[in-house]
Amino acid sequence: AQRVTQPEKLLSVFKGAPVELKCNYSYSGSPELFWYVQYSRQRLQLLLRHISRESIKGFTADLNKGETSFHLKKPFAQEEDSAMYYCALSGQGSARQLTFGSGTQLTVLP
Amino acid sequence: EAGVAQSPRYKIIEKRQSVAFWCNPISGHATLYWYQQILGQGPKLLIQFQNNGVVDDSQLPKDRFSAERLKGVDSTLKIQPAKLEDSAVYLCASSPRTGGSYEQYFGPGTRLTVT
Repeated sequence: AQRVTQPEKLLSVFKGAPVELKCNYSYSGSPELFWYVQYSRQRLQLLLRHISRESIKGFTADLNKGETSFHLKKPFAQEEDSAMYYCALSGQGSARQLTFGSGTQLTVLP
Repeated sequence: EAGVAQSPRYKIIEKRQSVAFWCNPISGHATLYWYQQILGQGPKLLIQFQNNGVVDDSQLPKDRFSAERLKGVDSTLKIQPAKLEDSAVYLCASSPRTGGSYEQYFGPGTRLTVT
């Protein structure tokens, strides 16, 4: 069974401060990990995926297989980063379905 | 390109009534997903189609939920009869890839309230 845990439902930081959204997963094989974001009144959209190892909007995430974590980080938070963030996992089966965490609501204060 | 379309956007029904949701994926996307998102939780996959065939419906409550994807394009999700616990946002997503790493594109969702 695959599971994704996001321990923080709410996270508030001040503008310019570093931010880290935690994600831990449980999966017996080699998963693909994703971060999805939902801004206010917008659709859920892909922010980044671990295999591309890219930085999107200043966010990065490193897959740590030893700690089974995929934390999302940004060195200097901006007010426009305020949104709901979901960590998601895709297994290796042919269906490649996504399992989502429960989400973290990030608020960046001015 | 046009995004995933869903209708209706909102629906309020009484328990034991029936309801249907419609999804039009992005043109050319072979894979289509229906998710249920209960308040305070992440989306949970209900059913996945590849073209017009079902790939995974293991989490679909088949005693009351049904879904079809005619001609491998549009899809409908039906609940009959609805229960109070079915109150949720129903999300449709589509993906261009049938295998390998891929991105899912989500629709705006249908918010269902069962009273």
